Amino acid sequence: DTGVSQDPRHKITKRGQNVTFRCDPISEHNRLYWYRQTLGQGPEFLTYFQNEAQLEKSRLLSDRFSAERPKGSFSTLEIQRTEQGDSAMYLCASSLDWGLAGGNFYNEQFFGPGTRLTVL
Amino acid sequence: GENVEQHPSTLSVQEGDSAVIKCTYSDSASNYFPWYKQELGKRPQLIIDIRSNVGEKKDQRIAVTLNKTAKHFSLHITETQPEDSAVYFCAASSEGTALIFGKGTTLSVSS
Repeated sequence: DTGVSQDPRHKITKRGQNVTFRCDPISEHNRLYWYRQTLGQGPEFLTYFQNEAQLEKSRLLSDRFSAERPKGSFSTLEIQRTEQGDSAMYLCASSLDWGLAGGNFYNEQFFGPGTRLTVL
Repeated sequence: GENVEQHPSTLSVQEGDSAVIKCTYSDSASNYFPWYKQELGKRPQLIIDIRSNVGEKKDQRIAVTLNKTAKHFSLHITETQPEDSAVYFCAASSEGTALIFGKGTTLSVSS
């Protein structure tokens, strides 16, 4: 499977616990995005990386959230001291930087299957 | 920052009819406008996109139009089929940054 993959697919945790999710992007994609989606809403942007550099963080991303992409390949999203309000689907997406696509603007983002987090 | 409004929130049509979903955006710097289809419990799937240098794009039964002056873009689905039933999201972004999504439209196609 050459698409975006995420692990785990489901996570149930108790309030106050820490959780970590992993995303593996499409291999040649250098941009990686994290979004959060709650029931009945569109995905909300959290943060994104170009290679290993974290270029932007949403104000939705509290200091309990941290994301890394240490070698510019896979990424992890950690939530510390989880709260019930963190329950959501966490989606990862990847895309190819426009400069690498021959100068044509190219931001087609491909999504992974998501990790559904339930905080009890 | 960018804000995307999407209407209607629900849309019911008969099989074979056309469906139109409309979105407006606020940031004039936005230049990329994709549409995603999401079936229950599945990931969003890109169905069509348009860039700011184009006013209209068509792919079989699906078309998207963009009016940069008015800052709105629309998705048109013709000859709808039951398998078109899903939630559709519009989004906007600029210069390859994060997508800002609308709240979604639940399309129901009855046979």
